[in-house]
Amino acid sequence: KNEVEQSPQNLTAQEGEFITINCSYSVGISALHWLQQHPGGGIVSLFMLSSGKKKHGRLIATINIQEKHSSLHITASHPRDSAVYICAVMDRDDKIIFGKGTRLHILP
Amino acid sequence: DAGVTQSPTHLIKTRGQQVTLRCSPKSGHDTVSWYQQALGQGPQFIFQYYEEEERQRGNFPDRFSGHQFPNYSSELNVNALLLGDSALYLCASSDRTGGPYNEQFFGPGTRLTVL
Repeated sequence: KNEVEQSPQNLTAQEGEFITINCSYSVGISALHWLQQHPGGGIVSLFMLSSGKKKHGRLIATINIQEKHSSLHITASHPRDSAVYICAVMDRDDKIIFGKGTRLHILP
Repeated sequence: DAGVTQSPTHLIKTRGQQVTLRCSPKSGHDTVSWYQQALGQGPQFIFQYYEEEERQRGNFPDRFSGHQFPNYSSELNVNALLLGDSALYLCASSDRTGGPYNEQFFGPGTRLTVL
């Protein structure tokens, strides 16, 4: 079993829909990252959080440390949001463990 | 302010050859981490360099080695290339002095193809 599990693996939605991507982890962590990877490979860090909730534009990330779970929400989704979204946790040794990613495709 | 840069962007090698990938960290960052991302998979941690020393290592064979220079830039070397080494190699930098939660900034990656 992977230490970081994401769901769903693939998600196709219509423009404007509210999107939720989930991440569960099994190790003790000091922080959790949500990353966005577009075709071609470049990775952009969206959020780093260790508790509570963060919001940036249409993106919201939440984390529940007790339940070892985090969610990434996208409001009013747009085709340019189409990308792979990766959850990554920083363990107690400061090593990053990545999930396999969620491939999101927003249809116009 | 330049972000993390990597070179080359693409590279094609044959089995048995050796390859060197390069990474320049974001200005002000002193720690460089390397990751391997196979097609359709999440990145896997290779190793991390800080103060010119390898500080942590993932589950990669000794064929994978690295170096960090006094200006904090870093190289990843892979010897005796195998077909399975074909992947996107990502470099990320962070500032170790920034506290325990070191946000990492990623470079664009080097896509290595081994034929």
